[in-house]
Amino acid sequence: EAGVAQSPRYKIIEKRQSVAFWCNPISGHATLYWYQQILGQGPKLLIQFQNNGVVDDSQLPKDRFSAERLKGVDSTLKIQPAKLEDSAVYLCASSLGGGTSNHEQFFGPGTRLTVL
Amino acid sequence: QKEVEQNSGPLSVPEGAIASLNCTYSDRGSQSFFWYRQYSGKSPELIMFIYSNGDKEDGRFTAQLNKASQYVSLLIRDSQPSDSATYLCAVKSNSGYALNFGKGTSLLVTP
Repeated sequence: EAGVAQSPRYKIIEKRQSVAFWCNPISGHATLYWYQQILGQGPKLLIQFQNNGVVDDSQLPKDRFSAERLKGVDSTLKIQPAKLEDSAVYLCASSLGGGTSNHEQFFGPGTRLTVL
Repeated sequence: QKEVEQNSGPLSVPEGAIASLNCTYSDRGSQSFFWYRQYSGKSPELIMFIYSNGDKEDGRFTAQLNKASQYVSLLIRDSQPSDSATYLCAVKSNSGYALNFGKGTSLLVTP
């Protein structure tokens, strides 16, 4: 079974530029998550989708971050404009269920973003 | 703010010893508790989850939960150098959707 795919794996941009990340979850997984992991910290949830609807985006900085999951499969996360503090690894995860269920979340390899 | 606290370490144990990793949480409504392992430069992978007070064993790993004390721990028996990684504690409440992660504890198993 293929895992969660993410691209690109690495990205270096200048501050105020824009960047987009792509995620393809495990086939059949209804729930997709985007996490931000700053060096030395645990992952922080940015947004959670159940199929193509948003169920939690309370920690997403909506003035600069946006995400979509068209057709309930692939997802993109965009940052515009980027700030220095956005330097982090952006992890995509997926699970069979979501909401208050406890289905295991499987993580992709992540995209390491460096903002100069 | 719902907090999940872990000692960042590093925790150093000799090969073959028991490693004990601890986690405390602030949200009394938390119902599900997860331990993830993250190797340097890699993504987290689930080791164990626990919902009920007491111990849960899976091979060399034992998770312990005490909801009254808001404390969850992970024991690794017969530690191996390959266990050297960061261990992330994650907590989920019944009313919420998100996993709330701690900062992780770095474990080093020395040969």
